[in-house]
Amino acid sequence: DTEVTQTPKHLVMGMTNKKSLKCEQHMGHRAMYWYKQKAKKPPELMFVYSYEKLSINESVPSRFSPECPNSSLLNLHLHALQPEDSALYLCASSPQTRVVNTGELFFGEGSRLTVL
Amino acid sequence: GQQLNQSPQSMFIQEGEDVSMNCTSSSIFNTWLWYKQEPGEGPVLLIALYKAGELTSNGRLTAQFGITRKDSFLNISASIPSDVGIYFCAGRTSGTYKYIFGTGTRLKVLA
Repeated sequence: DTEVTQTPKHLVMGMTNKKSLKCEQHMGHRAMYWYKQKAKKPPELMFVYSYEKLSINESVPSRFSPECPNSSLLNLHLHALQPEDSALYLCASSPQTRVVNTGELFFGEGSRLTVL
Repeated sequence: GQQLNQSPQSMFIQEGEDVSMNCTSSSIFNTWLWYKQEPGEGPVLLIALYKAGELTSNGRLTAQFGITRKDSFLNISASIPSDVGIYFCAGRTSGTYKYIFGTGTRLKVLA
C-alpha cells in the first residue's frame, strides 16, 4: 500500500480565516513533505519533517505553519493567507532515513486551495 | 526555488509513436525519480533510479540514470491516448531530504 491521504480535497477560505490541511500515511515512512504547486509548474518544496522534527523550511512565510503530531500525520495550518497563495498543496512521504539514503517519494492527491 | 532543466517542454505526437524526454542538472544526484501528473491530481511515481547507468523499465516506460549522474532520460514506447499528462523528473543529492523537480514535459497524444 503506497497511499498518502490528504484532506480536504478542496478548500475555499477568506484572507482572515484559519484552516488546516491534513495528510496521513501508514507506510511507516519517517520523512514527510509539504509541496506547493501552481498551475502548469513543478511542485515547490515548502517543508520537510524527518522523525517528526522539522528538517527543512524553504523560507516559507509564517502564515503557513506545519505540524507533525506523530509519524503518520502531517498538518499545514493556514492563517491570514493571500490570494496568491491559491494553489495545489501536495503532501508526500518517503522511506528515506538517516541510514537508508535512498527512497522514493510518494504523493497524495493534493488539496486545492482557493483564497478569496 | 531550484529547478532541473527538462526537455522538451511539450510534445504533440501520434498514437503509437515513441516518446523521449530528459532532465539535466548542474549537480550530481544519487536518486532520480520520474512522475506523471494528470490535471487536479498528485504526481504518480513511475520509475525510481539509484545508480549511475541504471536502466529500469515499467511496462512501456524505460528510464535511465545518466553515467555522469547529472542527467536522466525517460522513454515511452508505442504511446496511447491515456499517456497524456505532464511528466516530471525529480532528483536528489546524497545526504539531503530535498527533491528538486524538473520543469515538466507536457505530452499530448493524438489518436
